[in-house]
Amino acid sequence: AQTVTQSQPEMSVQEAETVTLSCTYDTSESDYYLFWYKQPPSRQMILVIRQEAYKQQNATENRFSVNFQKAAKSFSLKISDSQLGDAAMYFCAYNSNQFYFGTGTSLTVIP
Amino acid sequence: GAVVSQHPSWVICKSGTSVKIECRSLDFQATTMFWYRQFPKQSLMLMATSNEGSKATYEQGVEKDKFLINHASLTLSTLTVTSAHPEDSSFYICSAQTGKRQPQHFGDGTRLSIL
Repeated sequence: AQTVTQSQPEMSVQEAETVTLSCTYDTSESDYYLFWYKQPPSRQMILVIRQEAYKQQNATENRFSVNFQKAAKSFSLKISDSQLGDAAMYFCAYNSNQFYFGTGTSLTVIP
Repeated sequence: GAVVSQHPSWVICKSGTSVKIECRSLDFQATTMFWYRQFPKQSLMLMATSNEGSKATYEQGVEKDKFLINHASLTLSTLTVTSAHPEDSSFYICSAQTGKRQPQHFGDGTRLSIL
């Protein structure tokens, strides 16, 4: 069965610094999609970034980028120039006909 | 694009009341909609998956008669919590998907408090 693991329950970063959130997954599929969602205190789930497994190039969205290592089944999220508004729960998700979410990482941004 | 509207955002009601939560995709047609329950500081727990015009598929442990799901159109799904009790108090969130390989787009969630 597919599983998604986020091994860091909590992380903190100084404002303006860079932080990397880890995510690994288990699958026997070759074609799938990976996502990072952000859930701020308002509890709204916001899609941050997506990656297609067949693409070697790492996805980037402004200050957010991923390091996708398909062979290692790793999909980490890098947040550059961290801002106070980045403080939230971050969920990694895997999709190949069915969605699987990780347990989340709570990110604190220190002013 | 890909806006999902969920109403109400907060409900407080007495034990024994039935509560209906609506989930609408505003600018796209959703082939599939999902209903989740989320406890504080935890991940999303999938309750059921629904496709337009067909019966919802419930996850193991979720009572079908307790949590009624109707997916009447490609833009609307409803979750009715029947005869709600305090243990049903939680945060419920819906999402919609345009295709199996597409991301899920989420509503803002409903905070349900049963007194």
